[in-house]
Amino acid sequence: QVQLVQSGAEVKKPGASVKVSCKASGYTFTSYGISWVRQAPGQGLEWMGWISAYNGNTNYAQKLQGRVTMTTDTSTSTAYMELRSLRSDDTAVYYCARVSSSGCGYWGQGTLVTVSS
Amino acid sequence: DIQMTQSPSTLSASVGDRVTITCRASQSISSWLAWYQQKPGKAPKLLIYKASSLESGVPSRFSGSGSGTEFTLTISSLQPDDFATYYCQQYNSSGTFGQGTKVEIK
Repeated sequence: QVQLVQSGAEVKKPGASVKVSCKASGYTFTSYGISWVRQAPGQGLEWMGWISAYNGNTNYAQKLQGRVTMTTDTSTSTAYMELRSLRSDDTAVYYCARVSSSGCGYWGQGTLVTVSS
Repeated sequence: DIQMTQSPSTLSASVGDRVTITCRASQSISSWLAWYQQKPGKAPKLLIYKASSLESGVPSRFSGSGSGTEFTLTISSLQPDDFATYYCQQYNSSGTFGQGTKVEIK
């Protein structure tokens, strides 16, 4: 069965960086993309970007350009999302999701990132 | 960037009601639209993809329609398990979400 298992909760200080992992299993990793979506407390879903696990091509949300980097390690079927220069409004649950032409059918369990001094 | 506008933001309804949620795109996205259901503390769940295709395992009371810039999600007879927040997402270019519609018990 398809599973996406994310790394654990993080607490970071403003200005620091965070790197969240998303380990995929149950399918051929390079046949799909991975999207990253975040949700601030009490707020809606925000699309952060997408990476092709096949060739590493990326497409980032304009507001995060320059602060976010998405990568994959095909040897371990793991996707990573790094966000730099963290601010308090980056506090959110971060999700990875498997992407296809049928949308995001599988999601990770979410990783809470708290940015606080 | 393509903007997605969902309405209403909150909807009060009773079990058995027919419920319709609308999503408008700022430019044409063909049929590259998905609908998700989210419950508190849980990851979103895919309901509909390509505007009108029902995801496997999703009850048939959920349906989607539309193309271009106007889309709807309809729940034909609201069930207790359906009280949740619903999001549309365009995936024609990037992956913008609508702001969400919370379906509450009337």
